[in-house]
Amino acid sequence: AQTVTQSQPEMSVQEAETVTLSCTYDTSENNYYLFWYKQPPSRQMILVIRQEAYKQQNATENRFSVNFQKAAKSFSLKISDSQLGDTAMYFCAFMKQNQFYFGTGTSLTVIP
Amino acid sequence: DSGVTQTPKHLITATGQRVTLRCSPRSGDLSVYWYQQSLDQGLQFLIQYYNGEERAKGNILERFSAQQFPDLHSELNLSSLELGDSALYFCASSVATASGGALDTQYFGPGTRLTVL
Repeated sequence: AQTVTQSQPEMSVQEAETVTLSCTYDTSENNYYLFWYKQPPSRQMILVIRQEAYKQQNATENRFSVNFQKAAKSFSLKISDSQLGDTAMYFCAFMKQNQFYFGTGTSLTVIP
Repeated sequence: DSGVTQTPKHLITATGQRVTLRCSPRSGDLSVYWYQQSLDQGLQFLIQYYNGEERAKGNILERFSAQQFPDLHSELNLSSLELGDSALYFCASSVATASGGALDTQYFGPGTRLTVL
């Protein structure tokens, strides 16, 4: 079975600083996909970034980047130049054959 | 705006009752997924439909059922409701292929908040 672990229930960061959210997963699969979703207070689930497991290059989307370590089954999210609007729950997700498995989330607060 | 719509936004009902949640996927998306997010819990995958047919099942209770109609909208039916069914129910959609193996990002709707009293 696939499992996703987010070991940091809560984190905070000063505005304009950088923060890294951790995620590890467990799978015996070789081809899969990883995602980070953001859930702001509105409760909408918003895709932040995705990574294909077969790609060695880490995905980047503007201020968001990942550190994908396939052998270690680690998929951390780095947010640079944190903004107040980044305050949200962040969920790491693993996908294989269109089935998603989500971690329990990390609540990030950006402090002005 | 993801393009996925869900109705109603809020639903308050009593134990033992039955409710129907509705989801319209993004234009062109053939797959619909249902998730349950309870208080302080992550998302639990319930069920997936692809082009009208059930494709995958997750932690869906027997009291719950779903279907996808020819126009691709989907409904999640919850019956014999219990207090523990109070949660946020999300629908997501994706393009998906018939084989289900391609990379396929899911786009989430705004959710329906169900409160069972």
